[in-house]
Amino acid sequence: NAGVTQTPKFQVLKTGQSMTLQCAQDMNHEYMSWYRQDPGMGLRLIHYSVGAGITDQGEVPNGYNVSRSTTEDFPLRLLSAAPSQTSVYFCASSYNRRTEAFFGQGTRLTVV
Amino acid sequence: SQQGEEDPQALSIQEGENATMNCSYKTSINNLQWYRQNSGRGLVHLILIRSNEREKHSGRLRVTLDTSKKSSSLLITASRAADTASYFCGDRDDKIIFGKGTRLHILP
Repeated sequence: NAGVTQTPKFQVLKTGQSMTLQCAQDMNHEYMSWYRQDPGMGLRLIHYSVGAGITDQGEVPNGYNVSRSTTEDFPLRLLSAAPSQTSVYFCASSYNRRTEAFFGQGTRLTVV
Repeated sequence: SQQGEEDPQALSIQEGENATMNCSYKTSINNLQWYRQNSGRGLVHLILIRSNEREKHSGRLRVTLDTSKKSSSLLITASRAADTASYFCGDRDDKIIFGKGTRLHILP
């Protein structure tokens, strides 16, 4: 049981490049979310999903796309990376809307 | 789901002392959760308190909820060096919106 797995752990992108941050969970959780964490800002919600085929925007969705084609996976896409997207990204999952969330170990992204 | 505000932003105490941090909301609370984050790592769930509960314990952790004041507090008793971390509260429904957290530093 691996829990929530994020890949890659570290990534450096050039401005304008695109990439996908991967998130997978093996706990059959319906709810999944993406957060970014910047110094002094806490965690800010980017997008979330309450089940396969269902996604919604969080607090800071601009510049990011998501899809949820399976229960297990919730990839986060940066279509054209900008230096402002330099951050640590966390994926989380939970069984339902009343239970604890499990977090991945994060992806540290630098956009130069 | 709404954003909580943790207070204080930072707290330094001597090892063995108790640490108290607070979380406040502007509207009603559904299912309040507290999480801990060690430096650079993902958040780890500590405790959940439901809107119809007033107090909950887990080991050295004690969480209270005052729905009339729209606030919650997390008490860590007999602090240890390993408790040095950031602590976040989040109200739980379809999503969790976190505040900026309280940075706790335990001094030897």
